[in-house]
Amino acid sequence: EVQLVESGGGLVQPGGSLRLSCAASGFTFSDYCMSWVRQAPGEGLEWVAYIKQDGSEKYYVDSVKGRFTISRDNAKNSLYLQMNSLTAGDTAVYYCARHGDKTEDYFDSWGQGNLVTVSS
Amino acid sequence: SYELTQPPSMSVSPGQTASITCSGDKLGDKYASWYHQKPGQSPVLVIYQDTKRPSGIPERFSGSNSGNTATLTISGTQVLDEADYYCQAWDSSTGWVFGGGTKLTVL
Repeated sequence: EVQLVESGGGLVQPGGSLRLSCAASGFTFSDYCMSWVRQAPGEGLEWVAYIKQDGSEKYYVDSVKGRFTISRDNAKNSLYLQMNSLTAGDTAVYYCARHGDKTEDYFDSWGQGNLVTVSS
Repeated sequence: SYELTQPPSMSVSPGQTASITCSGDKLGDKYASWYHQKPGQSPVLVIYQDTKRPSGIPERFSGSNSGNTATLTISGTQVLDEADYYCQAWDSSTGWVFGGGTKLTVL
């Protein structure tokens, strides 16, 4: 069974930093592209960052470019999101999401989500 | 940037057919996917690559995509299908894009 378990969220002050982790199990992690998707309270889904299987390609939504960094450790079956210079607009539940088998156009598995709250 | 537009809400009676639309410029030239999300839960993929159903998704869920509109159809809608539904597509300039979501009420 595919499992994606996020951790590392919490309350952080504006301008602060946070690192999210996603532990993957039940599949060969290194075979899949991964993304982070977020959902602000009461709002819809927003894709945030993408990383290819071997980490060679990374893409970001414009609003986080230069502030967030996605990375992965295939030996540890883990995905990460380093978030710097956080603002209230980054407050959201952050989901770790797996892309489809041999394709990147959709997300076939999601973690349970991890809440990040940016507030003073 | 690329955008997808969905109706904010719709309602359907149990046993009837629900058709949720998603519009975007030349969406038919891209693959559309659909997710449902119940309160407090993570999204679940219900349709991918326009028409395909993941294993475990009931046959009453189907999809189509042509022109500027993708449609998710739920035949014989059940009360347990009540959820928020999101369409999604990939755009070469914008990345992975979601529609704003449609709240489906079954009553």
